[in-house]
Amino acid sequence: AQSVAQPEDQVNVAEGNPLTVKCTYSVSGNPYLFWYVQYPNRGLQFLLKYITGDNLVKGSYGFEAEFNKSQTSFHLKKPSALVSDSALYFCAVRDLSDSSASKIIFGSGTRLSIRP
Amino acid sequence: DTGVSQNPRHKITKRGQNVTFRCDPISEHNRLYWYRQTLGQGPEFLTYFQNEAQLEKSRLLSDRFSAERPKGSFSTLEIQRTEQGDSAMYLCASSLSQGPNQPQHFGDGTRLSIL
Repeated sequence: AQSVAQPEDQVNVAEGNPLTVKCTYSVSGNPYLFWYVQYPNRGLQFLLKYITGDNLVKGSYGFEAEFNKSQTSFHLKKPSALVSDSALYFCAVRDLSDSSASKIIFGSGTRLSIRP
Repeated sequence: DTGVSQNPRHKITKRGQNVTFRCDPISEHNRLYWYRQTLGQGPEFLTYFQNEAQLEKSRLLSDRFSAERPKGSFSTLEIQRTEQGDSAMYLCASSLSQGPNQPQHFGDGTRLSIL
């Protein structure tokens, strides 16, 4: 069965510093990986996805993520954090070998807090 | 593109009552998904439609839950005889069906509180 783990409930970073939000996954086949962000009382907004090809993918708002197959990780990164990046971040995976390939499994979320 | 719209945004009801939520997807999206999100957790898949056909239902979707998408456009999620444990945010998402790499676009959800 596919699963996603976000080992950190909260990440605290000073504005202007680089940030990393960690994600590891487990699938039986090739993964499609996604990052979403959620602001208070709002739905999830798509940030970026990994399908195939270059291991470093770039997304919205200056975020990028690095796919590492050997470590089964897909960490979210940003070179310079902004206070407005403070939100809840979700990693998600879709397992192409699963017959229900439309289903996305989400991690439990990481709250990112950027201090001025 | 007006985004995914969900109504109502908040619903407060007494235990045992029935509730119905509506989702209007992005107009050209033929796939529609329902998720449930509880505090401190990621969204959990409930069910999804391709056009008007309901193609998958999670085991989380008990007999008290029913979803419809009668004309392949908007969808409704009904919960009958609500219980305390049904309190959650119910999220709707839509996507194109051309390949599983299509991202899902989410509405802002309906927050259900059971008294």
